[in-house]
Order: sequence, then C-alpha cells, then structure tokens
Amino acid sequence: SQQGEEDPQALSIQEGENATMNCSYKTSINNLQWYRQNSGRGLVHLILIRSNEREKHSGRLRVTLDTSKKSSSLLITASRAADTASYFCLFQGAQKLVFGQGTRLTINP
Amino acid sequence: DTEVTQTPKHLVMGMTNKKSLKCEQHMGHRAMYWYKQKAKKPPELMFVYSYEKLSINESVPSRFSPECPNSSLLNLHLHALQPEDSALYLCASSQGVGLVYNEQFFGPGTRLTVL
Repeated sequence: SQQGEEDPQALSIQEGENATMNCSYKTSINNLQWYRQNSGRGLVHLILIRSNEREKHSGRLRVTLDTSKKSSSLLITASRAADTASYFCLFQGAQKLVFGQGTRLTINP
Repeated sequence: DTEVTQTPKHLVMGMTNKKSLKCEQHMGHRAMYWYKQKAKKPPELMFVYSYEKLSINESVPSRFSPECPNSSLLNLHLHALQPEDSALYLCASSQGVGLVYNEQFFGPGTRLTVL
C-alpha cells in the first residue's frame, strides 16, 4: 500500500499528559505534514516539516522527521480535552500526496 | 478570508441521478484538491488542479468528473454512482503548485449518500 502507516491507531491519555504518535512512509518525500480532524469534519493543518529539516516546533506541538528511517513523530505536550481528535500525517513526494492511517486521540478529563 | 466552502453539506442521491458538489476559495490559491474519505479511514486523493488544469487524477472512475471553471471554484460532477461511493467528499486548496505542495486548507466536506 502506498498509504503511510501510523501508530498507535488509538491513544487515550489523561489531560495534562503528553501524546506521541508516529508515522512511517515508503517513498522519498518533499515534505511531511500533520493534520487534525474533529469527528466527521474538515482537516486542519498543524505543522509542515520539509525533507531537509529534522525537527520543528509550533506551540505545544513538536514534530521530528527521520528520512533515513522514513518516519516522523508528532508530540503534543500538556494535552487538553480540546485535543481530542484524529491526527493524520500527509507525506508529499513527486506527484504523490498520501495520508497515513491516522491516530485517534482521546483526552480524558 | 481563509475559508474553503463546500456545498451542499449533505447530499442523498439515487444511482441514476446526476448531481454536483461545489467548492470555493478566495485565498488566491492556485492548487485545488478533491479527496474522498470513508468512515474511520484517511482521506484518499482523487484529483488535483494546478492553475485550473488537471494535474493529478488518481485513476478515479469516470462517474466522477471534476471541473475547475476558474481559480476560485472547483466542481465535482457525479453521475451513475454506486452505493459504495457514499463517503465524505473533501475539497482543499493550497498556495503551492507543481511538485511542491504546501499547507492545505480544507472545507468541511459534503457527506454523500448513494441509495
């Protein structure tokens, strides 16, 4: 499958804890992005990391990219109830745009 | 205006109907996308338009026909659909074109049910 793989498929944590999700892909990429989707709605862009970057931060988000392992991780620190959503990586190669399978994150109050 | 709008929000159609989904953005983006998303699955790319020209068609059946009348509008014409085509159809736009795609802005989607 050309689709990326994400793990875990589902993650349930307590509010205030950190959440980490991982994405792996198979082809070479130009960049990798992470999106959030609340139930049955459109996706919201979170962060983009280019293939020549190794780490990027945005607020409570930290993304890493390891092109040698063809993998990326998204860390959400100090989680909040509003972070409950599905998270997808999107990797972009030559004429290819492929989403990972997604991680369903539940933040318990 | 950083919004992508999609109409209708919901659509129910029979297998012999012809209908259209509409998408609009006023951010000056030159790339627009259609995705199909089944429940609990990731979005799957269907089409990409770049400068109003079709640049990617992911082997989508001909019962789906995209159209980009101008740089702000994207349509998806539907004809003779099957029940398995029932899904959430998402439109997106981005500033980047060519081989470098940037941040995409998504609409809320049209939930399509084919009876």
